[in-house]
Amino acid sequence: RKEVEQDPGPFNVPEGATVAFNCTYSNSASQSFFWYRQDCRKEPKLLMSVYSSGNEDGRFTAQLNRASQYISLLIRDSKLSDSATYLCVVNGGYNKLIFGAGTRLAVHP
Amino acid sequence: GAGVSQTPSNKVTEKGKYVELRCDPISGHTALYWYRQSLGQGPEFLIYFQGTGAADDSGLPNDRFFAVRPEGSVSTLKIQRTERGDSAVYLCASSLGPGTGQRDYGYTFGSGTRLTVV
Repeated sequence: RKEVEQDPGPFNVPEGATVAFNCTYSNSASQSFFWYRQDCRKEPKLLMSVYSSGNEDGRFTAQLNRASQYISLLIRDSKLSDSATYLCVVNGGYNKLIFGAGTRLAVHP
Repeated sequence: GAGVSQTPSNKVTEKGKYVELRCDPISGHTALYWYRQSLGQGPEFLIYFQGTGAADDSGLPNDRFFAVRPEGSVSTLKIQRTERGDSAVYLCASSLGPGTGQRDYGYTFGSGTRLTVV
């Protein structure tokens, strides 16, 4: 079993749609979690950290359920510019990051 | 420099050759990480340096892979006797420190070296 598993995607949605990505992780001792965004042929960039209480940044909301070892990312009012691959990431200790395979999002007009 | 710099950006080499990939981290970042990303996959951890020493090299796939960071700044990933399966994007990242909290400690990736073994 992979340490971090994500929805396979791709997700094809119209502009303005709400889309949700899910992720599960296997190590119950994991302490910190992130969502990264990666554009085609570019490096991953931090989108947001995920806190136990849930957190929101504009149109993006991240949730963490430690009991279920489940992380989610909700994007509201999708924009064309949101098209990218979204990587679920768990801190494996000492900032050694463990990445999921990514979920590709394509937003169309 | 302002960001993590990796050179070369692209490298094509023949099977069996030796290659070196360079990473110049953000000034002041003591932690440096190497990852490998194959097509359609997320980055996979290779090795982590804290200062000059390799604190965790558990991700190196075999003894053909080796990395150094002799002065605690620039790092070089070395691959001997390259194989076609080594073709991937090799990403370097640096951060202020190891950390274990929810902060990302300024974790920044370079733009990667795309290695193609033919």
